[in-house]
Amino acid sequence: DQQVKQNSPSLSVQEGRISILNCDYTNSMFDYFLWYKKYPAEGPTFLISISSIKDKNEDGRFTVFLNKSAKHLSLHIVPSQPGDSAVYFCAARAVTGANNLFFGTGTRLTVIP
Amino acid sequence: ETGVTQSPTHLIKTRGQQVTLRCSSQSGHNTVSWYQQALGQGPQFIFQYYREEENGRGNFPPRFSGLQFPNYSSELNVNALELDDSALYLCASSTGQGNNEQFFGPGTRLTVL
Repeated sequence: DQQVKQNSPSLSVQEGRISILNCDYTNSMFDYFLWYKKYPAEGPTFLISISSIKDKNEDGRFTVFLNKSAKHLSLHIVPSQPGDSAVYFCAARAVTGANNLFFGTGTRLTVIP
Repeated sequence: ETGVTQSPTHLIKTRGQQVTLRCSSQSGHNTVSWYQQALGQGPQFIFQYYREEENGRGNFPPRFSGLQFPNYSSELNVNALELDDSALYLCASSTGQGNNEQFFGPGTRLTVL
């Protein structure tokens, strides 16, 4: 049972434009959400996170939005750069249980120069 | 500061064999989590070790076992390998039980023939 879902396997965006990556979750016990970026032959790298008590967190070109009522979060990258091309994973942590992360299946972002 | 390292990089085994994967956590980190990432999927939590004790386990059978050593490095052991065990195995380290940011190693690619 996939508790974190990324329904878009891939996304292509022109350089300089906005990239919007979406993520949905089903478990209402999730209290912390993270985005990881993964390049080939490397492990996932932490990008940005948001607590369930917030609805927005911004870090430079990256902004994460959380809509708890819709159980939906999104990652906005603006402006997009070719170096942003990677697979992006959405992850969530439950308020109970071990401090493990539940990951989505990833979205491959391609930024076209 | 040394990041998370994993060995070996690649491994080929046959069905029924046993395998041991190794992980050195980032300096100062006392918690290690293991994840399995099958092709086209997001990482799935196997288990977590905190100060040499198992601190949580995902939906994996007992033939998946682990250890954490006094220097906080860790091993993942898989017995009676099955074809479906073919995956990228990721190790992530963090500080403390409640820390949300996990730093990932590059992974070990296991192929079971």
